[in-house]
Amino acid sequence: GQQLNQSPQSMFIQEGEDVSMNCTSSSIFNTWLWYKQDPGEGPVLLIALYKAGELTSNGRLTAQFGITRKDSFLNISASIPSDVGIYFCAAPQGGGTSYGKLTFGQGTILTVHP
Amino acid sequence: NAGVMQNPRHLVRRRGQEARLRCSPMKGHSHVYWYRQLPEEGLKFMVYLQKENIIDESGMPKERFSAEFPKEGPSILRIQQVVRGDSAAYFCASSPGKEWTKNIQYFGAGTRLSVL
Repeated sequence: GQQLNQSPQSMFIQEGEDVSMNCTSSSIFNTWLWYKQDPGEGPVLLIALYKAGELTSNGRLTAQFGITRKDSFLNISASIPSDVGIYFCAAPQGGGTSYGKLTFGQGTILTVHP
Repeated sequence: NAGVMQNPRHLVRRRGQEARLRCSPMKGHSHVYWYRQLPEEGLKFMVYLQKENIIDESGMPKERFSAEFPKEGPSILRIQQVVRGDSAAYFCASSPGKEWTKNIQYFGAGTRLSVL
């Protein structure tokens, strides 16, 4: 099946630093999603991307849909302690915009030291 | 406006018992998805349902697992004769089902199943 390779697996940073993580696949996707999961909770949608090359921001978060449609990037600027959690990329299996089944990356565990 | 509601949040079962997990989608959402998450892993798709129909169950184990989304009431994920390997967090997501937003899924807080 289709796989999303997410990196890095974990990051330990100081408060105020910027963070970058990415997700790659051998398959083409028409939609990329980024979720954050806090301990004991479900994933919460951060950003949705629909077009190749699209750059979208949500506060201190910025995500980009790669031009090849096989990758996506998430950046967090000026990290704060509440950014701690697991970040997942996700994309609909089958590559279409109408297919509901999501494939998830393995996640990036973010730890922020005050 | 309530989000996706799952209950129970925690469920403990002994091997061989049945587990029933419930999911009420967001208001106005007619599409429900179930995912399973093992510790330190990403979510894995199990099943996709619309009201009274199973659309895609390609991620469901062939035995002991079933899902339904009746005309009235919540969606139910049922696991019969649970084994220790069924211990995981089970998440439900819902979406409105409109074409361009069909894959914007909103997740519940999950049910943590522990099998003793």
